Amino acid sequence: DIQMTQSPSSLSASVGDRVTITCRASQSISSYLNWYQQKPGKAPKLLIYAASSLQSGVPSRFSGSGSGTDFTLTISSLQPEDFATYYCQQSYSTPPTFGQGTRLEIK
Amino acid sequence: EVQLVESGGGLVQPGGSLRLSCAASGFTFSSYWMHWVRQAPGKGLVWVSRINSDGSSTSYADSVKGRFTISRDNAKNTLYLQMNSLRAEDTAVYYCAKERTYYDILTGYYSWFDPWGQGTLVTVSS
Repeated sequence: DIQMTQSPSSLSASVGDRVTITCRASQSISSYLNWYQQKPGKAPKLLIYAASSLQSGVPSRFSGSGSGTDFTLTISSLQPEDFATYYCQQSYSTPPTFGQGTRLEIK
Repeated sequence: EVQLVESGGGLVQPGGSLRLSCAASGFTFSSYWMHWVRQAPGKGLVWVSRINSDGSSTSYADSVKGRFTISRDNAKNTLYLQMNSLRAEDTAVYYCAKERTYYDILTGYYSWFDPWGQGTLVTVSS
């Protein structure tokens, strides 16, 4: 199975900050990488698919980049509603696997 | 509006069984692969199983293989997860999710989960 490792595991930031979350795959996965946002008690929500494609309806302050083994999710200017946990997920091979999550908290 | 609604969760004793359902609406259910993903309390997301559009092909995580069975009824627009020989470590919120795909002529098929249902909690405890 492909292992996905996110860093950091948690992050404190302020409204208006630029934030970057990193996801590393244990082998090359080309651009088969998705990002999700999850708020407490809610289902995950798709943000980015195929490493850099923004899901319809997701604010443009979210962006994704990377290919191969290293990927990033960037939030250009944090808004209060962005404080949540973020997960990366590879779709290169079965089983699809997720990173352990990055909890983004208010400073 | 695309909607997925899970049901069937609850408290069950170790070794017991439970069947989860996921009712789909707002899209042509019979055209899409579907998945189950679970999340133990306070933990991350773990893929459990998937089924293709006509139900002829399935796949499972090693942790549930031989104990769980995924199925679907396209006439009823419903996805199922039959869970047998349940263990304490199966305690989790179970989400159903629709698989979406995109085909790039150069790089192949991309897939992702969207949307997800609201989840149903399964607790395995004596």
